[in-house]
Amino acid sequence: GAVVSQHPSRVICKSGTSVKIECRSLDFQATTMFWYRQFPKKSLMLMATSNEGSKATYEQGVEKDKFLINHASLTLSTLTVTSAHPEDSSFYICSASLSTGTKTQYFGPGTRLLVL
Amino acid sequence: QKEVEQNSGPLSVPEGAIASLNCTYSDRVSQSFFWYRQYSGKSPELIMSIYSNGDKEDGRFTAQLNKASQYVSLLIRDSQPSDSATYLCAVALRGSGGYQKVTFGTGTKLQVIP
Repeated sequence: GAVVSQHPSRVICKSGTSVKIECRSLDFQATTMFWYRQFPKKSLMLMATSNEGSKATYEQGVEKDKFLINHASLTLSTLTVTSAHPEDSSFYICSASLSTGTKTQYFGPGTRLLVL
Repeated sequence: QKEVEQNSGPLSVPEGAIASLNCTYSDRVSQSFFWYRQYSGKSPELIMSIYSNGDKEDGRFTAQLNKASQYVSLLIRDSQPSDSATYLCAVALRGSGGYQKVTFGTGTKLQVIP
C-alpha cells in the first residue's frame, strides 16, 4: 500500500517551454501532497505544500508564478514549470500524505528534468 | 541553527557491523520522526517511523527516540553492502491548516565495505 507515482520519469525540453509533472497516489487518498526539488548531491528542498481544493503554500524563495501547482483531487497533484530555463534542471520529487492516521509522507519515484 | 541536523558522513562500516546514524532536532514540540533511505539517483524510501520515546525494531533496523535530548537514531545491524545509501532523518510538526510539516535533515551517507 501507499504507492505514489509520478509522470513523466524523465523529460528534456527546450528553454522557454512549460513542463507538467503529475503526481498520483495510487491506493490511498492524499489530502496533502508535497513537491520537492533536489540538485545533485544536495538535500531535498521543499518547494510547496499542496492541499486538495485549496491554493498551494509555497516555501520562501520559490516563485509561485513559475511553479504552478494544482491539486484538483485527493489522488492527483500537478506541478507545471513555466518558461523553463537551464537552471530549473533538477530532480523533482512529490510525496503524498495519508488523509488519516500518522500522515506519513510517501514519495513518488521522481522526475528528472533537463532544460536545454 | 538547523532544524534537523545530521552528520553528512560518509560513515563507513564493514559488512556485518552495526551502523549507527544520528539526528538531532531543534523544536521540542516535534511529534513524529522518520528515517528514509535514498539511493543515488532515486527518491527517498520510508524505513522507519517512531512517535514515542524508546526503541522500535523492524528487522535489522532499530529506531531510538529520546525527546528530552531531542535526539533520534537509526541502528542497522548486520550491515550489508546494499545498505549503502544516504539516510535522511525527518521530523514532523503539525502545521497550520491541519497538515503535517516535515523537515528533512541533509542526510548521512553510509558506505558498507564488503
